[in-house]
Amino acid sequence: RKEVEQDPGPFNVPEGATVAFNCTYSNSASQSFFWYRQDCRKEPKLLMSVYSSGNEDGRFTAQLNRASQYISLLIRDSKLSDSATYLCVVRGNTGKLIFGQGTTLQVKP
Amino acid sequence: NAGVMQNPRHLVRRRGQEARLRCSPMKGHSHVYWYRQLPEEGLKFMVYLQKENIIDESGMPKERFSAEFPKEGPSILRIQQVVRGDSAAYFCASSPRQQTEPLSGNTIYFGEGSWLTVV
Repeated sequence: RKEVEQDPGPFNVPEGATVAFNCTYSNSASQSFFWYRQDCRKEPKLLMSVYSSGNEDGRFTAQLNRASQYISLLIRDSKLSDSATYLCVVRGNTGKLIFGQGTTLQVKP
Repeated sequence: NAGVMQNPRHLVRRRGQEARLRCSPMKGHSHVYWYRQLPEEGLKFMVYLQKENIIDESGMPKERFSAEFPKEGPSILRIQQVVRGDSAAYFCASSPRQQTEPLSGNTIYFGEGSWLTVV
C-alpha cells in the first residue's frame, strides 16, 4: 500500500465550480500534513498546511480527519489559474516529505 | 534572496555515462533533500542529507546512485552508468533544520529541478 494515496483524476471543471480532492495516508503516527501545487514542468510549491481543526486560505479549505487518516482540499469558485496538479504531502519520520501521486485539475472557461 | 539553485537545468546523457546534478541550498540552510519525479508520477523521496552526513537514504536505489553534501560547496547527486529508466526530473529541496516537530510549519523549499534525459 502506498504511504499517501490520491485519485490522479483528471478533474475537469468549469470556471466557478467547487471541487474537492481527497487523500489517505497509511502511517497513523504522521503528524504534519500539507497540500502542494505543481504546475507542468515546475517545482512543487507549498499551498497550505493542514490542521486537525481545519484551515482556510481564501478560496481554499483543508481538512484533516486523523481517525480516518484522510485529508481533503476544497477549492471554491475555481479559476482558470487553478489548473495544476495538487499534491497531498505527509511529513515522515526524519522530517522528509512524502508525496502522493497528485491529482490533476483542469478548469475550463 | 536566492532560492534553492539546481544545475544543470537540463542534462542529456548517453546510456552508460555518468550524470552529476548539483544543488546549492538557500542561504542558511544546512539540510538538503533529493527527490525524483518520473513522467506522469509523483515525487519520490531519495535521500536526506545534512552537511557531511546522510540522515536518511531509504529512497536511494542500491546501485549506481550516490549523494553527498560536503562541508563546502553544493550537494551532488551522482548517477553512474545511466540507463533510460533514469530519465526523470530530479528536485532538490532545502531547510534550515530538521523538520520533525509537529505543527512546526514547513520551511522546506524546492529548487526548479534538473531534467535528465538518457538517450
